[in-house]
Amino acid sequence: GAVVSQHPSRVICKSGTSVKIECRSLDFQATTMFWYRQFPKQSLMLMATSNEGSKATYEQGVEKDKFLINHASLTLSTLTVTSAHPEDSSFYICSARGVRGTDTQYFGPGTRLTVL
Amino acid sequence: AQKVTQAQTEISVVEKEDVTLDCVYETRDTTYYLFWYKQPPSGELVFLIRRNSFDEQNEISGRYSWNFQKSTSSFNFTITASQVVDSAVYFCALSETGTASKLTFGTGTRLQVTL
Repeated sequence: GAVVSQHPSRVICKSGTSVKIECRSLDFQATTMFWYRQFPKQSLMLMATSNEGSKATYEQGVEKDKFLINHASLTLSTLTVTSAHPEDSSFYICSARGVRGTDTQYFGPGTRLTVL
Repeated sequence: AQKVTQAQTEISVVEKEDVTLDCVYETRDTTYYLFWYKQPPSGELVFLIRRNSFDEQNEISGRYSWNFQKSTSSFNFTITASQVVDSAVYFCALSETGTASKLTFGTGTRLQVTL
């Protein structure tokens, strides 16, 4: 149980294009999903928290117009990196928390984004 | 504000050795959760354990054990008889109530187990 998937696992795009990353909870309903960014050999940095049906809450310093988050259902959240630039290249990981109130976050396998 | 410190950046051990990964945390809350996650080279974070602040019992799961000591604000993780498959980055994390379950991660400890 508590499986979270992410798609795609890897994406390479040209500078200026937009990239959408999907995060799905496969066997549970997730009231809250989180998006993290991880640079090589560093820890995870929380970008935003999204609750189903409402606007995402972004952490300080994260541009909401650049990183669009949508949490349209209890099993799906998407992160769109708009007008991507090479500095957006990173490892993006989502996590999901279930409806039963447990504070445990289950993580997806991550998406490696490379912007050329 | 909450903070998690993992002072050991990298540890290298030979297979079958025991190894302890340290985690020290800071919080002003009386109710909080502590976690350990494993991140193998593939990148996915694997949940290992969650402990709430009211439960100081140590826990053992196979070769893994955890020592939670509120008096020293520590939540250390020991791997007994380490194996090559244990090679990964291990993150300790803290979640306070009232923060929508946001996790504060430590900087991670890279464990290398060699033959």
